[in-house]
Amino acid sequence: GNSVTQMEGPVTLSEEAFLTINCTYTATGYPSLFWYVQYPGEGLQLLLKATKADDKGSNKGFEATYRKETTSFHLEKGSVQVSDSAVYFCALSDIGKNQGGKLIFGQGTELSVKP
Amino acid sequence: SAVISQKPSRDICQRGTSLTIQCQVDSQVTMMFWYRQQPGQSLTLIATANQGSEATYESGFVIDKFPISRPNLTFSTLTVSNMSPEDSSIYLCSTGQGTDTQYFGPGTRLTVL
Repeated sequence: GNSVTQMEGPVTLSEEAFLTINCTYTATGYPSLFWYVQYPGEGLQLLLKATKADDKGSNKGFEATYRKETTSFHLEKGSVQVSDSAVYFCALSDIGKNQGGKLIFGQGTELSVKP
Repeated sequence: SAVISQKPSRDICQRGTSLTIQCQVDSQVTMMFWYRQQPGQSLTLIATANQGSEATYESGFVIDKFPISRPNLTFSTLTVSNMSPEDSSIYLCSTGQGTDTQYFGPGTRLTVL
């Protein structure tokens, strides 16, 4: 079945450091790919998405490119801030089920940015 | 994007009791989804709630434990029945308004003693 694998956390960085959180997926067909962020004590917010191969999603300085050849959707940011401290989830849409809407999530990666 | 609210935001319950969680969307949507996030874990889909039909449950989740209502196109409830400490989780509802991009409510943080 479809699945998502993320790099394990926690990831601890200093402010202004470069961030990469790896995400790889297994899927049949051509799912959409997402990054969601969960700030402490809050629900999930959509950070960015990509719907087809070679698409790049971007938001708030974060970027991720849909790489079909490597089945990856790595999240990057050039210079992290303390306010980026959160848990980041990679997810894919389970195409063909429920006409969309079912998301399969990775295990989440906790990011802690120190001043 | 949809604006989704949930009630209650958190609760502490005794084992053996039940809790009903409400989810309200600011627009009419066909499909609503309920997810569970156990402590320190990722999200797992519990069920899909369509208006006018029975909810569709994922493997490992049953209607007797997690009954769902969907009385109209903007509202759904999830009940966690006969609770045990293992049910302590964050419960989130979501909708995509017919797209594959899901928007989530703020979640209900449940602690079962």
